[in-house]
Amino acid sequence: QQPVQSPQAVILREGEDAVINCSSSKALYSVHWYRQKHGEAPVFLMILLKGGEQKGHEKISASFNEKKQQSSLYLTASQLSYSGTYFCGTANSGNTPLVFGKGTRLSVIA
Amino acid sequence: GAVVSQHPSWVICKSGTSVKIECRSLDFQATTMFWYRQFPKQSLMLMATSNEGSKATYEQGVEKDKFLINHASLTLSTLTVTSAHPEDSSFYICSAREGGTGNQPQHFGDGTRLSIL
Repeated sequence: QQPVQSPQAVILREGEDAVINCSSSKALYSVHWYRQKHGEAPVFLMILLKGGEQKGHEKISASFNEKKQQSSLYLTASQLSYSGTYFCGTANSGNTPLVFGKGTRLSVIA
Repeated sequence: GAVVSQHPSWVICKSGTSVKIECRSLDFQATTMFWYRQFPKQSLMLMATSNEGSKATYEQGVEKDKFLINHASLTLSTLTVTSAHPEDSSFYICSAREGGTGNQPQHFGDGTRLSIL
């Protein structure tokens, strides 16, 4: 079942922060976050596993609330290079393929 | 890092032609690869799961005879769009998982933009 992402789109000025949410109606095994730029393939950002955890590198981090079946991606002090469409992909078990949300289009302007 | 190569990047062909797309994992072995289809400004829709040495698992609504998948080795999966028609025009992307379980990331190829005239 396709996870629900919010917001659908967001416009930021450089240096501002953003949060993108991903929720599922089913129990999740893992949540994967990707960023896709126009005309390109998705690029892997990070993966979070059930058990509830938080990960991050540099100014992009994410959390996974297993009980709520939700994950959030945090972008701090955004840069122009952060622009793109962010997808969360969810898996219900260790053997199932990822099902992607509809994406969140992020535009960072100077 | 893990690299997935997809070829060709672009295909333009006449209606009725069959088109083969290759997906290779360059620096790791992938027992499972995935094929997605993406329409403009939309999400990635899973078409099928390609399993090395066995038949592919297709998602509901995806025609097996239309989209032939072969996973002949641990580093190569192919998708053949048979007798392609304009409605098959889309962006096709493959991905491969480093390990056998879902706690490993799926790495994507660069995609193939297919245009059927």
